[in-house]
Amino acid sequence: DVKVTQSSRYLVKRTGEKVFLECVQDMDHENMFWYRQDPGLGLRLIYFSYDVKMKEKGDIPEGYSVSREKKERFSLILESASTNQTSMYLCASSSKRASSYNEQFFGPGTRLTVL
Amino acid sequence: AQSVTQLGSHVSVSEGALVLLRCNYSSSVPPYLFWYVQYPNQGLQLLLKYTSAATLVKGINGFEAEFKKSETSFHLTKPSAHMSDAAEYFCAVTRGASGTYKYIFGTGTRLKVLA
Repeated sequence: DVKVTQSSRYLVKRTGEKVFLECVQDMDHENMFWYRQDPGLGLRLIYFSYDVKMKEKGDIPEGYSVSREKKERFSLILESASTNQTSMYLCASSSKRASSYNEQFFGPGTRLTVL
Repeated sequence: AQSVTQLGSHVSVSEGALVLLRCNYSSSVPPYLFWYVQYPNQGLQLLLKYTSAATLVKGINGFEAEFKKSETSFHLTKPSAHMSDAAEYFCAVTRGASGTYKYIFGTGTRLKVLA
């Protein structure tokens, strides 16, 4: 089974802190994603990576950056956390193989609270 | 441009009643379509996917969905609701052709099952 793990389930940080959210997948997937989930807004894509060291902005990249130094690991960075970044963050991965039909596999999520 | 609309942010059904969650999509190319379920404080779990092989798709936990091109719909159904079906459900579309692996998500439908 594909497994996507996220470093923390719950995280509480203070305004202005630098925050790192880590995601690891064990299926050798090329693609990895970071989403933010807020009530009534569904899932919104923050950043997407299609290969090591490669990244692409999603719909809401402002205030975030990412890092992908190894294929299995994709980090989301909040350079200076703000209260409006309080949210649930979901990581996902998918294969580039046509047989995968672009199916994404999700981690359990990190609920981040910024005080 | 692709889009997904989920009608009804909240749906309530009685235990044992039919579950119908609606999803309409817009896509200029043949799409791949997905339904995911999210239980409280968890990540997203794939229920089923449409990849053009068959218009009626059966998924896990007794759910199924029918792809109707003429109606641009992919509604999710289950003949008899169970209390354990209470969760949030998301419809997503991605392009069938290669070149993008990103989803467009609907805003979600929260299903409540009444005893």
